Amino acid sequence: KAGVTQTPRYLIKTRGQQVTLSCSPISGHRSVSWYQQTPGQGLQFLFEYFSETQRNKGNFPGRFSGRQFSNSRSEMNVSTLELGDSALYLCASSLDGTGGRSTEAFFGQGTRLTVV
Amino acid sequence: GQSLEQPSEVTAVEGAIVQINCTYQTSGFYGLSWYQQHDGGAPTFLSYNALDGLEETGRFSSFLSRSDSYGYLLLQELQMKDSASYFCAPLGGFKTIFGAGTRLFVKA
Repeated sequence: KAGVTQTPRYLIKTRGQQVTLSCSPISGHRSVSWYQQTPGQGLQFLFEYFSETQRNKGNFPGRFSGRQFSNSRSEMNVSTLELGDSALYLCASSLDGTGGRSTEAFFGQGTRLTVV
Repeated sequence: GQSLEQPSEVTAVEGAIVQINCTYQTSGFYGLSWYQQHDGGAPTFLSYNALDGLEETGRFSSFLSRSDSYGYLLLQELQMKDSASYFCAPLGGFKTIFGAGTRLFVKA
């Protein structure tokens, strides 16, 4: 069974640009969560999508947005990039998400975004 | 609100036992998960506690006390490959909260 796939793996963008990251969950999983990871800050929750609906959102500015498609694939978008947005962005898929009491999330390898 | 506390770093010797503590506060709590992440890798699931008490999975055990909002991960017979970051993740409220994690260094 294929794992969680994130594309691209690496990305370099310039301040002010926007970026779109993609996440394909495990087949049959309907929940996708996004996290930002920076050294010393751990995994910061961005948002969770379930059946194309955003169920919860973390404390990030409106520049960070996402969506989920009918096939459960998800994208996140960051507009007007800042240097501080440089991070590893991870997505995690689970069967029905924490609202459905899934106990295990499966992570992709992440997208390493560098903003210069 | 949501809060989570783990020690930032722990160092132990190969073959020893180490305990990584986690205290949390989260709304709608229904369980505590643990994840391991090696440098450059993705977090991987280790264990889950829904009830109070100890869950054992090979060399790893995880404990939960819901009344104390406290849990720990116990790693026995430490190996060099256990050097990684460990995250406790309380589940609840439609999101899984991860903190900064605990960096475990295993020395020979």
